[in-house]
Amino acid sequence: NAGVTQTPKFRVLKTGQSMTLLCAQDMNHEYMYWYRQDPGMGLRLIHYSVGEGTTAKGEVPDGYNVSRLKKQNFLLGLESAAPSQTSVYFCASSHGTGVETQYFGPGTRLLVL
Amino acid sequence: GNSVTQMEGPVTLSEEAFLTINCTYTATGYPSLFWYVQYPGEGLQLLLKATKADDKGSNKGFEATYRKETTSFHLEKGSVQVSDSAVYFCAPNQAGTALIFGKGTTLSVSS
Repeated sequence: NAGVTQTPKFRVLKTGQSMTLLCAQDMNHEYMYWYRQDPGMGLRLIHYSVGEGTTAKGEVPDGYNVSRLKKQNFLLGLESAAPSQTSVYFCASSHGTGVETQYFGPGTRLLVL
Repeated sequence: GNSVTQMEGPVTLSEEAFLTINCTYTATGYPSLFWYVQYPGEGLQLLLKATKADDKGSNKGFEATYRKETTSFHLEKGSVQVSDSAVYFCAPNQAGTALIFGKGTTLSVSS
């Protein structure tokens, strides 16, 4: 039982390049989330999904796209990376909201030059 | 909208000292309340939670009580260890909405 895994662990991009971050969970969770963590800002929700084939915007969605084609996977895409997207990205999953615990991946550190 | 405020860090303590990290929230209705912890270089993990008023969550010697009247969920530990050094996040969550994280409080414990 691996929990939540993220690929890659670290990446350096040049401004304007694109990339996709992959999140996978093996807990059969309906809900999946992408957050970014920046110093002094806590975690901010980028996008989330309440089930396969669904996505919704979070607090800071601009510049990102997501897809949930399979229940166990949640992809975060950056079409044209900008230095402001330098951050640590965390994926999480949960059975639901309210009383349910979110389970986090180990994070992806992204540096955009 | 819902929001959460937790005390600014960093908090620097000696081993065996008493710890309090304050957390207050605003919410419509009655959210569940969570404390998550992030150890260096890792993702967040649940530390403890409480789902209704006056509930006490506890884990690894940490405790927090859901205080509806003061909309607070302060984290406490009677005797901290070096291994408790981490970033602590308070987070209220209501059903049907996204988890809201505080900005995090960094705890540094020295021996």
